[in-house]
Amino acid sequence: GENVEQHPSTLSVQEGDSAVIKCTYSDSASNYFPWYKQELGKGPQLIIDIRSNVGEKKDQRIAVTLNKTAKHFSLHITETQPEDSAVYFCAASRGANNLFFGTGTRLTVIP
Amino acid sequence: NAGVMQNPRHLVRRRGQEARLRCSPMKGHSHVYWYRQLPEEGLKFMVYLQKENIIDESGMPKERFSAEFPKEGPSILRIQQVVRGDSAAYFCASSPGTDIRPQHFGDGTRLSIL
Repeated sequence: GENVEQHPSTLSVQEGDSAVIKCTYSDSASNYFPWYKQELGKGPQLIIDIRSNVGEKKDQRIAVTLNKTAKHFSLHITETQPEDSAVYFCAASRGANNLFFGTGTRLTVIP
Repeated sequence: NAGVMQNPRHLVRRRGQEARLRCSPMKGHSHVYWYRQLPEEGLKFMVYLQKENIIDESGMPKERFSAEFPKEGPSILRIQQVVRGDSAAYFCASSPGTDIRPQHFGDGTRLSIL
């Protein structure tokens, strides 16, 4: 089955700096890669996603890049703010099938 | 959280009792997924259902766990004869169809076993 690895497990940045989280996947048939933000006591909230026919997608301060050949994808958050502090999860799936999640990155934005 | 409703939010059971977790998907969504999250870990897939159908239960433990999504009403995840190791957060997600669509999650049920 699919195996998703995520790094780093923790990340601290100064407010205003950029944060980058990286994931790799093993199944070349995976074609959908969402990113979720999870705050304490809450469920994962979808923040951005990318499909395998696209190399990059941007939504305001958040961008995701996908390298299908290398089987890795990354989340980039620019101009970080304290409210960006949370746990971020990458995931991969084939179509509408279940998601395989990474182990999470705890991001702390220091004011 | 994006309209997926889970209840109860917290559930306490003693060893050997049954736990029933409910999930109402977003309006218009006919696909439901259940995931389990242990503290400080990612989410692990358990089961994928459509109305009256189990599509994929490869992540479900073979014993004590069952799931259903009836024609009417919420999806139910049932855990019989609970043990301490069942303590976790259980999340439900829903999506609208069979092609690639984002899964939207509820806020979960936190199950504690005494």
